[in-house]
Amino acid sequence: DGGITQSPKYLFRKEGQNVTLSCEQNLNHDAMYWYRQDPGQGLRLIYYSQIVNDFQKGDIAEGYSVSREKKESFPLTVTSAQKNPTAFYLCASSKGVRGQAISNQPQHFGDGTRLSIL
Amino acid sequence: GESVGLHLPTLSVQEGDNSIINCAYSNSASDYFIWYKQESGKGPQFIIDIRSNMDKRQGQRVTVLLNKTVKHLSLQIAATQPGDSAVYFCADRLLNAGGTSYGKLTFGQGTILTVHP
Repeated sequence: DGGITQSPKYLFRKEGQNVTLSCEQNLNHDAMYWYRQDPGQGLRLIYYSQIVNDFQKGDIAEGYSVSREKKESFPLTVTSAQKNPTAFYLCASSKGVRGQAISNQPQHFGDGTRLSIL
Repeated sequence: GESVGLHLPTLSVQEGDNSIINCAYSNSASDYFIWYKQESGKGPQFIIDIRSNMDKRQGQRVTVLLNKTVKHLSLQIAATQPGDSAVYFCADRLLNAGGTSYGKLTFGQGTILTVHP
């Protein structure tokens, strides 16, 4: 089945450690996104990528890094500079978004990774 | 929409009733709107979307209404079922200054829907 796979489902980080969250999609989507969700709040955009080898900072990029070497993959690294990393992290993808003749396509989400601090 | 705290709006309904979930957005330049359903421990699931040149769109048991004058969006669920219990999010997309849109969505904080059998 086509979809977005996030792994692991649960992840624990020690102080001063970097951790990487995986996101893979087989929907042939050009654009991919990372969001952070805190209890009782909506989703906040961390980074997004419209095409391979290109990505842009979202609203809360500090302490995070990404790469987009392949169309199918958009891993997120939570660095030690992120002082409050405990959250639910969601990856999403959508069809191509460049150009004025844009089609309105919703973002489709994975089932998230819950990151906690040890 | 911006998050305003830890207490989400809640809506409790009886099974079989109709539900109406409301959402306000802030930017009149938003051109596309989506409703998502999120069950506990899972990612948001797409329900229905609407473009800014429409004021109503219907799906299976769901209807989205858009009032651009007051920047208000609503989701109506007919004959609500226990399986509809979840957090519902609206999201809007903002056109950039050049008139193109890069798919970046802004999410509301969500509404908890509880359906009682």
